[in-house]
Amino acid sequence: DAGVTQSPTHLIKTRGQQVTLRCSPKSGHDTVSWYQQALGQGPQFIFQYYEEEERQRGNFPDRFSGHQFPNYSSELNVNALLLGDSALYLCASSLLGHEASTDTQYFGPGTRLTVL
Amino acid sequence: GQSLEQPSEVTAVEGAIVQINCTYQTSGFYGLSWYQQHDGGAPTFLSYNALDGLEETGRFSSFLSRSDSYGYLLLQELQMKDSASYFCAVGNQGGKLIFGQGTELSVKP
Repeated sequence: DAGVTQSPTHLIKTRGQQVTLRCSPKSGHDTVSWYQQALGQGPQFIFQYYEEEERQRGNFPDRFSGHQFPNYSSELNVNALLLGDSALYLCASSLLGHEASTDTQYFGPGTRLTVL
Repeated sequence: GQSLEQPSEVTAVEGAIVQINCTYQTSGFYGLSWYQQHDGGAPTFLSYNALDGLEETGRFSSFLSRSDSYGYLLLQELQMKDSASYFCAVGNQGGKLIFGQGTELSVKP
C-alpha cells in the first residue's frame, strides 16, 4: 500500500519564477491538503482539495493555487516566487468524503523549495 | 484567531517519562492531534483526541480537556529514536489542521 508521494524532493528556483509541485495521495484517500513549513516552524495550512475543487483555504495569497485531478492527485502552483517562499511543502491526504471530519491525515515526505 | 502554545524544547533521559503540554484557542474545534517529525522528514500521526480523556497507543498517550482547552502528549520509556519535533494540531470540521510551533525533544543517554 503506497503512502503519500511527492515530487520533486528538492527544487531550486529564482525570484519571480513559477513552480509546480505534485502529490499523489495514499491509496483510497480522496482529499489532499497542502502545507508550508518554514524552518523551525509548524506546518501552515495552504488549502485543501476535494472532488477537484478547493474546499478550504488558509491565509496565503493568490500566487498560491492548486488543482486536483480525477485520480485524486494534486498539484500546488506558486507564481512570482519570493525569497520568503523557501520552505518545505508538505502534502497530506485523508478520507473525508462528503462527511466532514478530522480523520487522520497522512503526510508525504515533502518538497524542499529554495528560492534564490 | 486561532493559536496553539507548546514548549519549544524538552530534554529527558532514556527510559524516562516526558509530558508535552499544549494549550489552544480556536473556533470550530473538532479534535486535537499529535504528530512526530524527525529532521527533514514527514510529520507522522501519533494520536488523536476528540473527546475528553486519555488515549493510549503503546508507549504514547494523549490527553484532552476541552473545558480547559488543554491537552498533552505523554511519552513513556523514552528511547533515543524518540528525539524529534512533536506538534499538536487542532482540526476543524473540514479537516483543516492548525499546528503549534512544535516541541523539540532531545533524549539523552
